[in-house]
Amino acid sequence: DQQVKQNSPSLSVQEGRISILNCDYTNSMFDYFLWYKKYPAEGPTFLISISSIKDKNEDGRFTVFLNKSAKHLSLHIVPSQPGDSAVYFCAASEYQGAQKLVFGQGTRLTINP
Amino acid sequence: DAGITQSPRHKVTETGTPVTLRCHQTENHRYMYWYRQDPGHGLRLIHYSYGVKDTDKGEVSDGYSVSRSKTEDFLLTLESATSSQTSVYFCAISESTGVPEAFFGQGTRLTVV
Repeated sequence: DQQVKQNSPSLSVQEGRISILNCDYTNSMFDYFLWYKKYPAEGPTFLISISSIKDKNEDGRFTVFLNKSAKHLSLHIVPSQPGDSAVYFCAASEYQGAQKLVFGQGTRLTINP
Repeated sequence: DAGITQSPRHKVTETGTPVTLRCHQTENHRYMYWYRQDPGHGLRLIHYSYGVKDTDKGEVSDGYSVSRSKTEDFLLTLESATSSQTSVYFCAISESTGVPEAFFGQGTRLTVV
């Protein structure tokens, strides 16, 4: 039973536009959420996180939004750049930290010039 | 970059043979994890450790064992490899406070033939 779901396997966006990646979860005990970016043949690298006590966290071009009532989070990238092309994973933890992460299936983002 | 080294990076083994993957960290982080990545599943937790000699099962632990005799090393053993264990394996480390992310190694691609 998938507790964290990314329902879009792929997303294609034009360079300079906004990329929006979505993630849904079912476990109400999740307390901390993260987004990771992964290039081929490399390990996932951390992008941004958000605690359940917040509804928004921003870091440069990346913003994560959390809607607890809907059990939904999203990652906004603006403006999108070619180097953003990668697989993006959302992850969740029942702890106030990155412990025992539960991952979604991933969304492959392609930024077109 | 966090100091995490996985070895080997690639391995091909035969069904029924034992295999051990090694994760070495230089960050002195308390928590260490083994995940596997498969298409359509994202990353799934196999086993984790919360201290020397303290380990516990994750979501997909059947067929795997782990050991942590030193803070810096976390070993994953496939007692008798099966084709279903063909996957990319990632080690990760995290702390309980102060650090908002888990750091991942570069992965080990294991093929069981």
